Amino acid sequence: QKEVEQDPGPLSVPEGAIVSLNCTYSNSAFQYFMWYRQYSRKGPELLMYTYSSGNKEDGRFTAQVDKSSKYISLFIRDSQPSDSATYLCAMSPPDSNYQLIWGAGTKLIIKP
Amino acid sequence: NAGVTQTPKFQVLKTGQSMTLQCAQDMNHNSMYWYRQDPGMGLRLIYYSASEGTTDKGEVPNGYNVSRLNKREFSLRLESAAPSQTSVYFCASSEHGGDPVLGAFFGQGTRLTVV
Repeated sequence: QKEVEQDPGPLSVPEGAIVSLNCTYSNSAFQYFMWYRQYSRKGPELLMYTYSSGNKEDGRFTAQVDKSSKYISLFIRDSQPSDSATYLCAMSPPDSNYQLIWGAGTKLIIKP
Repeated sequence: NAGVTQTPKFQVLKTGQSMTLQCAQDMNHNSMYWYRQDPGMGLRLIYYSASEGTTDKGEVPNGYNVSRLNKREFSLRLESAAPSQTSVYFCASSEHGGDPVLGAFFGQGTRLTVV
């Protein structure tokens, strides 16, 4: 079993819809939870992060961590075609600041 | 504003050939990384360099070597390429010793095919 599980999709939704992207994990010691966005044939870019539990909002994006369920989510409001990309979750174990544990990514398609 | 630059962008190798992937960053970051990305596998860390003069193995180091040439440059070498090394390779850099809060900045990747 992988430490971090992420549905590969693709997830296809109409423009303007609310999108929910999720990751589950098995290691309760993970501390930082990050979301990266990766456009086709590009490198990933950090979208947002949260530390421990709770919510964090940045414009149309909200990241949520539920440590009791070992579940993290990224919500995108008023989705735009430019949001079409692969979204990767990543987590940091407490014993290493260098080795992030990555999900395989969910491909998101926003239809105009 | 270049960020992280990788060369080459594409490469086809025959089994047994060697090659070096080059990476340079212009953000004065201390830490640099090499990842590989395969379908359904997510990113896997090959090697990292916490600071100039140091290198350490990541999750999948076998078949690779690295050199931190200076603060800007971090190269990845395949001594004898194998088909299992067909992948997309990403170089990344971060500011403070891998502090995940600051995130990592990635290059555009090198698509390597070994036949």
